[in-house]
Amino acid sequence: EAGVTQFPSHSVIEKGQTVTLRCDPISGHDNLYWYRRVMGKEIKFLLHFVKESKQDESGMPNNRFLAERTGGTYSTLKVQPAELEDSGVYFCASSRGAHSPLHFGNGTRLTVT
Amino acid sequence: QKEVEQNSGPLSVPEGAIASLNCTYSDRGSQSFFWYRQYSGKSPELIMSIYSNGDKEDGRFTAQLNKASQYVSLLIRDSQPSDSATYLCAVAVSGNTPLVFGKGTRLSVIA
Repeated sequence: EAGVTQFPSHSVIEKGQTVTLRCDPISGHDNLYWYRRVMGKEIKFLLHFVKESKQDESGMPNNRFLAERTGGTYSTLKVQPAELEDSGVYFCASSRGAHSPLHFGNGTRLTVT
Repeated sequence: QKEVEQNSGPLSVPEGAIASLNCTYSDRGSQSFFWYRQYSGKSPELIMSIYSNGDKEDGRFTAQLNKASQYVSLLIRDSQPSDSATYLCAVAVSGNTPLVFGKGTRLSVIA
């Protein structure tokens, strides 16, 4: 089966610009998660979708971040406007059920200059 | 604040030796414990999960859990250069709560 795919793999934008990250989970996986790793820090949870519904968005840093999963398939994470501290690697993961192992994508490395 | 602590390393071991990776966690209610391996520039890959006290073995890997001490470890026997990677410890209170990750321990196996 195809794994979790993320696009783009890298993005360099200027402060104040907008960036949209995309995640395609493994087909049939209802659970989709966004995580972020800032340099030197641990991977931190951002939010969790079950199908198209936001199950938990307690990790979203502020209202500059908007995640969607229309139709319960792929998900997008938009950062608008981007700030310097948003730089990091954004990981998407999916699982079939809440107790199933997470499968991670390769991440999108975001650099805000 | 739920925390998962790991020594960042690098931990260097000779080929064929046992590598011991340690992790402590702060939330005494944690129920699920995972070890992920991450090669540079790649995605984290699940290698072990453990849910009850004691040891769990899978090939060259053994996970050890001690809930009383809030401690989970990963042993890698007969370490190979291909085991060189960052090992992430992740903990969840329940199946419906998000994983909390440690910063990871970088392991280097020297041929």
